[in-house]
Amino acid sequence: GQQLNQSPQSMFIQEGEDVSMNCTSSSIFNTWLWYKQDPGEGPVLLIALYKAGELTSNGRLTAQFGITRKDSFLNISASIPSDVGIYFCAGLTTSGTYKYIFGTGTRLKVLA
Amino acid sequence: DTEVTQTPKHLVMGMTNKKSLKCEQHMGHRAMYWYKQKAKKPPELMFVYSYEKLSINESVPSRFSPECPNSSLLNLHLHALQPEDSALYLCASSQGVGNQPQHFGDGTRLSIL
Repeated sequence: GQQLNQSPQSMFIQEGEDVSMNCTSSSIFNTWLWYKQDPGEGPVLLIALYKAGELTSNGRLTAQFGITRKDSFLNISASIPSDVGIYFCAGLTTSGTYKYIFGTGTRLKVLA
Repeated sequence: DTEVTQTPKHLVMGMTNKKSLKCEQHMGHRAMYWYKQKAKKPPELMFVYSYEKLSINESVPSRFSPECPNSSLLNLHLHALQPEDSALYLCASSQGVGNQPQHFGDGTRLSIL
């Protein structure tokens, strides 16, 4: 099925560093979402974005809905060991056919 | 703790067995979903239920049969599965089928022998 392109695919960072990842699509979405998935668990919703250009924060996490509606960005500031996991973006559209499509994922590993 | 509860957490079954996966939510959500997730891949949508009626079937083989007995429960009946069906099966719910984010359970890890 369709997937959104997420980059980077994986990254190692030092504790305390800031992290940036992005998600791009060839299609427009009405809503962008960011999830984190830990091993053995389901994805947990971090941030939901509903308007082009919107910038939303959740603690150390900040996400933006791209102006073109075809991309989104997630930043994590001052990373800590528990930030380890896989981060997925998801695009949602209800125009025409309902689509809730996940990105390919960014695997984050934090070095203490 | 997730507010979407899935049972069992793990399931091993043979290709001729019949089993069911169960999902429950008490958030008053009226939309529920089944996803399949292979290792190191993103979740892929299988079925969407809205107000207890099946609204989307993403061309899923008939050996997977969803059922929504009421607004809080969602089942996935399994029969004559293939080894390639081994995966993590995730259930999710949302307030409705609109611009509303989905909330996921922790999944059932299914292994087909």
